[in-house]
This record gives sequence, structure tokens and C-alpha cells, in this order.
Amino acid sequence: EQLEQSGAEVKKPGESVTISCRASGYSFSSYWINWVRQMPGRGLEWVGRIDPGDSYTQYSPSFQGHVTISVDKSTTTAYLQWSSLKASDTAMFYCARRVGSRRYWYFDLWGRGTLVIVSS
Amino acid sequence: QSILTQPPSASGTPGQRVIISCSGSYNIGSNTVSWYRQLPGTAPELLIYRNNQRPSGVPDRFSGSKSGTSASLAISGLQSEDEADYYCAAWSDSLNGHWVFGGGTKLTVL
Repeated sequence: EQLEQSGAEVKKPGESVTISCRASGYSFSSYWINWVRQMPGRGLEWVGRIDPGDSYTQYSPSFQGHVTISVDKSTTTAYLQWSSLKASDTAMFYCARRVGSRRYWYFDLWGRGTLVIVSS
Repeated sequence: QSILTQPPSASGTPGQRVIISCSGSYNIGSNTVSWYRQLPGTAPELLIYRNNQRPSGVPDRFSGSKSGTSASLAISGLQSEDEADYYCAAWSDSLNGHWVFGGGTKLTVL
């Protein structure tokens, strides 16, 4: 079981970018994929999640409208995309699998992270 | 928005027992807490789930507990390799539901 993330991205403000998280070794549609941000020297922040089964998404209020989470079941890959980056988007982004039942959820599998650097 | 509060730092000497607290707002109380360890330069990894359960491979030196809206992580027999950042997390039902992470506690082994 593995979550393999795409490589680092270096972009300019205003540019777009999509990073990916490819799942393998388990039933992709059975577990939500979440995205978590970690700004340099800071803690973990939940960005949002997607249900690969029906592509239903939920976003943190802090990220709603600024990022888009999507999924391609045919390639068992989840995506996180920005249409217009800001310098403040510079961070490491992790994907994580959520397991468990209602009120007993937790993240049991994490990707290694994708570093996004936004600089002019 | 819901909040989980952790002390920013903790420390102990090898062999000691250290406790890291995680205090939540009222609307986290009915959901379980999980704990994650992040070694320097690596991704977070699951340490404790459902308040007090250890995944296979996590030594029993690590234990978790929860009472009401507060949780804690205890590490006994402290070892140098325990030096890392530790985060608590829980689902909150407010604002249509969202995950909340504590601010993280940097554990230093003196």
C-alpha cells in the first residue's frame, strides 16, 4: 500500500499548477484521500478531501475557492490544483488516506510530500 | 473554527516519561483523537488512533488517552530517536465538517 506523490514544483505568482498523489496496493475507491499543507517551519493544516468513489469534495474554509481537488479513478490518482498561485502558497503538501468509521477516523497512510515553491 | 491546542515544546532525558497534551474545543469531544509523529525532513506517520490504539510496529512505550475534549500522548523510556514533532488531530463536525490538527509539539531529548 502506497501513496506516491509527484515531484517538486517551482512556479511564479499567478501561474497554475497541479500536483498528484497516486495510490497503489489497495482499493482506491474505498477510502477518502485528504490533502494537508505544511508551510516552512510550521504545523500541519487540512486542505480538503475527496471521496474517490463519487468525487465528492470538502474543503477547509481556509482553502475553499483557492484550490481544487479532483480524482481519476482509472489511474487511481488524486490531484490538487491551483489556477493562480501566490507566494504564500509555498509549502509542502501531503496526501493522506483516511480510514476508520464515523467518529473513529484517522490517517493511516501518507505520501512523502510535494514541495511547491512560488517565487518571482 | 475548532481548535486543538498543544504545547509548542516538550523535553526530557533518556529513560524519562514525557506527556504531551492536546486540548480541544467542545465540538471535537465526540470524535476520537489520533496522533502523528514527524521526524525531521520526513512525512508524518500514524502513532496513535482512536485515542489509545497503536498501529502494528509502534512500540508500547507510546500510549494515548482522552477525557472529554482533552487528549494526551505519553512516551515512556524516552530515546534519542523520539526527538520529533508530534501532532494531535481530530474531525470536527462544525462548518460542515473539517479536520483539525494541533499546532504541534517539538520534543527534544536532552
